[in-house]
Amino acid sequence: DAGVIQSPRHEVTEMGQEVTLRCKPISGHNSLFWYRQTMMRGLELLIYFNNNVPIDDSGMPEDRFSAKMPNASFSTLKIQPSEPRDSAVYFCASSLTAKNIQYFGAGTRLSVL
Amino acid sequence: AQRVTQPEKLLSVFKGAPVELKCNYSYSGSPELFWYVQYSRQRLQLLLRHISRESIKGFTADLNKGETSFHLKKPFAQEEDSAMYYCALIDGANNLFFGTGTRLTVIP
Repeated sequence: DAGVIQSPRHEVTEMGQEVTLRCKPISGHNSLFWYRQTMMRGLELLIYFNNNVPIDDSGMPEDRFSAKMPNASFSTLKIQPSEPRDSAVYFCASSLTAKNIQYFGAGTRLSVL
Repeated sequence: AQRVTQPEKLLSVFKGAPVELKCNYSYSGSPELFWYVQYSRQRLQLLLRHISRESIKGFTADLNKGETSFHLKKPFAQEEDSAMYYCALIDGANNLFFGTGTRLTVIP
């Protein structure tokens, strides 16, 4: 298994543009998590899904952020419009259930200029 | 309320010295606690979980319910231990909380 796959690995965009981050969880895992990592705040949970259904999105910073999971093998995190303060590394993780060990993707480094 | 607190953002120790990364939690029930590690240019990965009572790469962590702590320890630090370490807690509702992380630097 290739593990959790995220794309792109790096994204550089201009303020105001729409950004879409993608994640493919490990096959068979029922829970998927999106995190944001910054130097100041460390690792923050943005949202997580159970069986494709969003369970807790209280970590989503603003309405500019949205996440979808149309099927068990794909999820997107969208920022529209993007702002410089959104610059961070965004991680996706999956687990068998919400209570199991989470396996992380390599992350997407986003830079908003 | 902050569920997991890692008081040190940065920690430097010399190679061969003991290392302790502190983690305190706030939860009234029985939490499940983890340590995750992120080495340079690698993805975040699980280091150990308290229910396994295991030692991984020489690291151990004991859950102290009286002090609500789950400190990560290693008796002799190695250069390859330099990384970012995150303490994490799962509560009874399956919510996962991470601390803000501690960057460990082992000085040769």
